[in-house]
Amino acid sequence: AQKITQTQPGMFVQEKEAVTLDCTYDTSDQSYGLFWYKQPSSGEMIFLIYQGSYDEQNATEGRYSLNFQKARKSANLVISASQLGDSAMYFCAMRPYNNAGNMLTFGGGTRLMVKP
Amino acid sequence: DGGITQSPKYLFRKEGQNVTLSCEQNLNHDAMYWYRQDPGQGLRLIYYSQIVNDFQKGDIAEGYSVSREKKESFPLTVTSAQKNPTAFYLCASSRQPDSFTQYFGPGTRLTVL
Repeated sequence: AQKITQTQPGMFVQEKEAVTLDCTYDTSDQSYGLFWYKQPSSGEMIFLIYQGSYDEQNATEGRYSLNFQKARKSANLVISASQLGDSAMYFCAMRPYNNAGNMLTFGGGTRLMVKP
Repeated sequence: DGGITQSPKYLFRKEGQNVTLSCEQNLNHDAMYWYRQDPGQGLRLIYYSQIVNDFQKGDIAEGYSVSREKKESFPLTVTSAQKNPTAFYLCASSRQPDSFTQYFGPGTRLTVL
């Protein structure tokens, strides 16, 4: 079984500053994928970034980057140059490569609030 | 435009009534999923389907039923057996069952009175 832990229920960040959202995971699988999703107040889950467990380089997508530390089982999301539109819930998720059902396990989420 | 649609966005039902939530996708994705989200929590998997006419239970399938008669449609029925049906329901799809990225619809907020 997999478990995702997001220890920050809520965070504030000043507009234009960078912020790191923490995610740790627990799995016995050797091969897996890690994901971050954004959920604005409208409710839709928006895919942000993906990191494979065998990827040697940290994933980046525009202002989003994933700080992947496999030995520590952490996959923190870094948002650079925060914008007011970044205010939302953020969820970390993972899925083993050998899971034929493609079932994602989600963390409890972190609410990010960007201050003007 | 390609995407996933869920209707309605808000749904109210009386206790004891069955209710069906719609999920349609025009992305030509093989796999589809239903998740439940309670306030302040992450998502939990209810059911998933990898191909037409096949579906599997997720972590919290009790009190729910699904069908997958067409590739683009995966309706979820919340039955009267579901003890606490009030929640936010999200449908998702992925290109193939082993594709990593799932794409989500806008969700349906169900309130049982």
